[in-house]
Amino acid sequence: DAKTTQPPSMDCAEGRAANLPCNHSTISGNEYVYWYRQIHSQGPQYIIHGLKNNETNEMASLIITEDRKSSTLILPHATLRDTAVYYCIVRVVNNQGGKLIFGQGTELSVKP
Amino acid sequence: DGGITQSPKYLFRKEGQNVTLSCEQNLNHDAMYWYRQDPGQGLRLIYYSQIVNDFQKGDIAEGYSVSREKKESFPLTVTSAQKNPTAFYLCASSIERDTEAFFGQGTRLTVV
Repeated sequence: DAKTTQPPSMDCAEGRAANLPCNHSTISGNEYVYWYRQIHSQGPQYIIHGLKNNETNEMASLIITEDRKSSTLILPHATLRDTAVYYCIVRVVNNQGGKLIFGQGTELSVKP
Repeated sequence: DGGITQSPKYLFRKEGQNVTLSCEQNLNHDAMYWYRQDPGQGLRLIYYSQIVNDFQKGDIAEGYSVSREKKESFPLTVTSAQKNPTAFYLCASSIERDTEAFFGQGTRLTVV
């Protein structure tokens, strides 16, 4: 499984966009990029995923570089409730669902 | 409502005792997973099951055992052979061909 590298922590001002980077230089052609977040002592929450194209949903946008070696999760208007640890994961999606291998994540602190 | 349920939320056991953590899902998902999380760390995969009556070891399976007799249930037994069992345990499930894994709220196990 490909590995991901994320900064250990980031700060963001409330109301501003939070841009969380992730490097996955060894990603394979059949591996998707997933983002989850975990608020303290809770189960991780799915945010978004993508393969090659940029993706957007009601929570966030995912920008994947053309060579797929890195990506950025964008929270367009961060709120205090977005304070959490954000995990970038690469995952092979097969007929059986694929494994999720977590790294250390980025601890995002949204400040008033 | 559909979801994945872990019980209990907090569990205390004496050293040397086996303990079983429950994970039940009513999402009709084929794949189920167990993760362990230590303070300030990411999630590490213990075991996963892609179909009933089948399961595979993850990265840190030693000292743990699982069963998958029913699609809905994937209990994890922490045996006395696990050297450092105190941790936060998370169960997840995903459906064949789907790309999102749902997590339970976790069980915090403390061994004294």
